[in-house]
Amino acid sequence: SAVISQKPSRDICQRGTSLTIQCQVDSQVTMMFWYRQQPGQSLTLIATANQGSEATYESGFVIDKFPISRPNLTFSTLTVSNMSPEDSSIYLCSGGAVPDTQYFGPGTRLTVL
Amino acid sequence: QKEVEQNSGPLSVPEGAIASLNCTYSDRGSQSFFWYRQYSGKSPELIMSIYSNGDKEDGRFTAQLNKASQYVSLLIRDSQPSDSATYLCAVTLGRTNAGKSTFGDGTTLTVKP
Repeated sequence: SAVISQKPSRDICQRGTSLTIQCQVDSQVTMMFWYRQQPGQSLTLIATANQGSEATYESGFVIDKFPISRPNLTFSTLTVSNMSPEDSSIYLCSGGAVPDTQYFGPGTRLTVL
Repeated sequence: QKEVEQNSGPLSVPEGAIASLNCTYSDRGSQSFFWYRQYSGKSPELIMSIYSNGDKEDGRFTAQLNKASQYVSLLIRDSQPSDSATYLCAVTLGRTNAGKSTFGDGTTLTVKP
């Protein structure tokens, strides 16, 4: 199994600022993803983090707002840019090495004031 | 219509009973189906995957899939208080990594001692 860590675990940010969330996997995974889980709601896929190339974004999410990097197989970052209170959410990194395995990181709880 | 719909819940069962969790999906092209368990304040954990019509058993858990009816369910036999959690149904269009999924809103299960 893969162990996924995220930093920071939580943060409180001011409107208009940006926050970069880091995701580290302890073993190589083929796919990495970023999700958002808003309070009391289910998970929404933001994007697939592609190694060495631009991320693939889902409908409703754009690179300018959520730039993503994945320089190698075990590390990815998600930046939440120009934040507003509507961006307050839990951001989750996930990854897997084979089709039917999927591990989630512990999440980053973001509050935007 | 939501792409993935689950019983709104909450669902409460006595210890030792069978808990039945249901999920329907709208896209007939869906090929992969997953059940996650999410404890309060924690990230989701993949507990079952199913790809073919019929039943798949893993310990106390049985996943059932009926593609004609666009229906997938999770049965938990001999329910334990430790099974109390929110159960998320997730669906992907292809036989691809479990990560690129559409999630339902979840059903919260409480198992009473």
